[in-house]
Amino acid sequence: GAVVSQHPSWVICKSGTSVKIECRSLDFQATTMFWYRQFPKQSLMLMATSNEGSKATYEQGVEKDKFLINHASLTLSTLTVTSAHPEDSSFYICSAARGQGNYGYTFGSGTRLTVV
Amino acid sequence: RKEVEQDPGPFNVPEGATVAFNCTYSNSASQSFFWYRQDCRKEPKLLMSVYSSGNEDGRFTAQLNRASQYISLLIRDSKLSDSATYLCAVKYRGSARQLTFGSGTQLTVLP
Repeated sequence: GAVVSQHPSWVICKSGTSVKIECRSLDFQATTMFWYRQFPKQSLMLMATSNEGSKATYEQGVEKDKFLINHASLTLSTLTVTSAHPEDSSFYICSAARGQGNYGYTFGSGTRLTVV
Repeated sequence: RKEVEQDPGPFNVPEGATVAFNCTYSNSASQSFFWYRQDCRKEPKLLMSVYSSGNEDGRFTAQLNRASQYISLLIRDSKLSDSATYLCAVKYRGSARQLTFGSGTQLTVLP
C-alpha cells in the first residue's frame, strides 16, 4: 500500500519553456503532499507543502510564481516549473504521508529535469 | 548549523562488516525520526522508523538518544546490496508533517 506515482521520470526541455510534473497517490488520499528538490550529492530540500483545496506553502527562497503548485484533488498534486533555466535542472521528488501516525512518508519515483 | 547533520562518508566496508551511522538534529521539538535508503538516481525509500526504545529489523538496528539529540543506524553483516546512501529524516512537532532530511551518508560494501 501507500503508493505514490510521479511522472514524467525524466524530461529535457529548452530554456524558457514550462514543465509540469504530476504526483498521484494511488491507493490512499493525501490531503498534503510535499515537493522536494535534490541537487547531486546534496540532501532533499523541501520546496513547498501542497495542500488539497488551498494554496501551497512555500519554503523561504522558493519562488511561488516560478514553481506553481496545484493540488486540486485528494490524489493529485502538480508542480509546474515555469520559464525553466539551466539552474533549475535537478531531481524533483514528491512525497505524501498516509495517516496521522508515526508513518514514514512515501515518495514518488522522482523526475529528473534537465534544462538545456 | 544545519538542522539535521550526517557524516557524508563515504564509508567503504567489506562484506560482513558491521557499520554504524549517526545523525544529529538541532531542534529539540523533533518528534519523529526515520532512516531512508536512497540508491543512485532513485527516490528515497523508507528503511525504518526510529522509536524511543530503539528498534530492530533484521540486520538493521535504529536507536534514538533524545538527551544528546541523535539517532543512529547499525547495519550488521553488511551485504553488497546494502551499498546506497542512507538519509536520516526528522519531523518536528507542529511542522505540518513535513520532513527535514540530512544530507545522507554514502555506504559502499566491498566484496
